[in-house]
This record gives sequence, structure tokens and C-alpha cells, in this order.
Amino acid sequence: GDSVTQMEGPVTLSEEAFLTINCTYTATGYPSLFWYVQYPGEGLQLLLKATKADDKGSNKGFEATYRKETTSFHLEKGSVQVSDSAVYFCALSGGAGGTSYGKLTFGQGTILTVHP
Amino acid sequence: EAGVTQSPTHLIKTRGQQATLRCSPISGHTSVYWYQQALGLGLQFLLWYDEGEERNRGNFPPRFSGRQFPNYSSELNVNALELEDSALYLCASSSTGRNEQFFGPGTRLTVL
Repeated sequence: GDSVTQMEGPVTLSEEAFLTINCTYTATGYPSLFWYVQYPGEGLQLLLKATKADDKGSNKGFEATYRKETTSFHLEKGSVQVSDSAVYFCALSGGAGGTSYGKLTFGQGTILTVHP
Repeated sequence: EAGVTQSPTHLIKTRGQQATLRCSPISGHTSVYWYQQALGLGLQFLLWYDEGEERNRGNFPPRFSGRQFPNYSSELNVNALELEDSALYLCASSSTGRNEQFFGPGTRLTVL
């Protein structure tokens, strides 16, 4: 079945540092890829998405590029802030007709802590 | 525009009881999804409802069930509660033909 693997956390950075959170996936067909963020005590917020190969999703300074050749969707931000401290989830949604259609398959989540 | 809402925020039950969780999707969204976020187990897909029908189901026992009402709101029922059902239950919604899902704040279920 489909699966998503994220880099192990937690990740601890100083403010203004560069962030990379690795995400790779296994899926049949052409899934859509997502990054969600979960702040303490809250539900998930959609951060960005990409629906086909070479698409770049971006939002709030975060970026991720859909790389089909390496089955990856790494999250990056050039300069993190304390307010970016949260748990980040990579996820995929399978194409129509597959068993993963209509559901999100999540990675295990990466805890990010940013210090002033 | 109001987001996805869930009730109750917290629910405490004892083993063997039944729990009912409720979700109202974003206005105009016809699909509702349920996920379980248990400590250490990440986010697991439970159920997908669209236009009142169950469209997909995750790897959970039949005591997890639900339904979607004509106004697209949804209910998740968990029968014969077990201790390991303690988790945050998240509901999400999406509009027809779109695969990005928008999540509610969740219901924290504690089984004693």
C-alpha cells in the first residue's frame, strides 16, 4: 500500500536558520502531496500542496517540490521563526480508482522547535 | 467563512461504553473524513463519507462506524470502547472533486 516516510525528529533550530524536513513516499499512480502543520492543542492546517511532478507548493515562506524521480517532497524554509514551532506532517492522497483514493496517508510527523 | 467544527471538545468514557462524535464540514463541502491520532501511532484514516455514502474505510474494526446526514454533517460512533481507543479524533472536509482536506480542532476521547 501507499506510505510516507519523514525524517526522524525532533528538529531544533535557532531563529533565522534554514529548515529542511525530508519526506519520501511510495505510491501507485500519481498521488497528490501535502504538508500539514499542527500547532500545540490544535487540529491540522494545510500548509501547501502539489498535484503533479515538478509542481512547487509554497506558503508563508515554506516550499516543497514534487520530485517523481526521487519520490520526494521535502519541506524547506529559508529563515525560521519561533512561531514556526509545531509538528509538520507530510501526506499523500491517492488517485481515483486506487485503494488510497479519498484518504490521506500521513508520515509520522516531525516536531520542530525554534529557539530565539 | 466558518471552518470545520467538532463536538464535543473532550469526551470521557469507561471501557465498554459507546461514544458519539460529531462534525460539521465547511459550508459547501460534501465530503467528510475521520482520522484517529493516537499517541505514538500517528494519524490513521478511519472513514470517508461523500453525499451520504461511505466511500472508503481504513483498517479499523466494525465497532467504528458513522454516517453522514443530508446537511453533510457527520457522526462517528465507537462501540464497546477499549482503552486503546483513547486518542484525538480529527474530522476533515473537502469540496467535490478537490483532494485537499481541511481539518477541525478534534475531539479528545479518553477511555478509562
